[in-house]
Amino acid sequence: DIQMTQSPSTLSASVGDRVTITCRASQSISTWLAWYQQKPGEAPQLLIYQASSLASGVPSRFSGSGSGTEFSLTISSLQPDDFATYYCQQYNSYSITFGQGTRLEIK
Amino acid sequence: EVQLVESGGGLVQPGGSLRLSCAASGFTFSDYEMNWVRQAPGKGLEWVSYISSGGSTIKYAESVKGRFTISRDNAKNSLYLQMNSLGAEDTAIYYCARAPIPVAGTFDYWGQGTLVSVSS
Repeated sequence: DIQMTQSPSTLSASVGDRVTITCRASQSISTWLAWYQQKPGEAPQLLIYQASSLASGVPSRFSGSGSGTEFSLTISSLQPDDFATYYCQQYNSYSITFGQGTRLEIK
Repeated sequence: EVQLVESGGGLVQPGGSLRLSCAASGFTFSDYEMNWVRQAPGKGLEWVSYISSGGSTIKYAESVKGRFTISRDNAKNSLYLQMNSLGAEDTAIYYCARAPIPVAGTFDYWGQGTLVSVSS
């Protein structure tokens, strides 16, 4: 299976900050990468697919980049609603795998 | 409005079986590939199984292969997961998730999840 490693595991930031979360794949996955946001007690929500395409209804402050093995999710100006856990996911192959998650908390 | 509603979770003893269901509405179910994804308490997400829109192609995570069976009934707009030989490691919230067209491999709608607890 392709291993997905996110960093950092926890990120403390303030409203208005620009933050970046990194995801590394154990082998090349081209741009077959998605990002999800999950809030406590809720199902995940798709934010980004194909590494950089914004899912429907997702605010433009979210952006994704990368290809091959290195990817990033950037939130340009943190809003109170953005404090949550974020997961990357590869779909280069079925077996799909997720990163371990990055918890974004209020500083 | 797209809705996915899981049911069938509960407490089961190790070695036991359980069948999960997912009722879909608000879209043409037979057009979409579907998946099950699980999340152990306080842990991350784990993809479990995939089924193509017509049911002819099925895939499983290694951790459940040979024990779990995914199926669907397009006439009933329903997705299922038959889980046998359950162990403590299968304790999790189980979500059904739709794969969008044409970007199969991601999950654009999720149910609220159903909790499966395996314990004696």
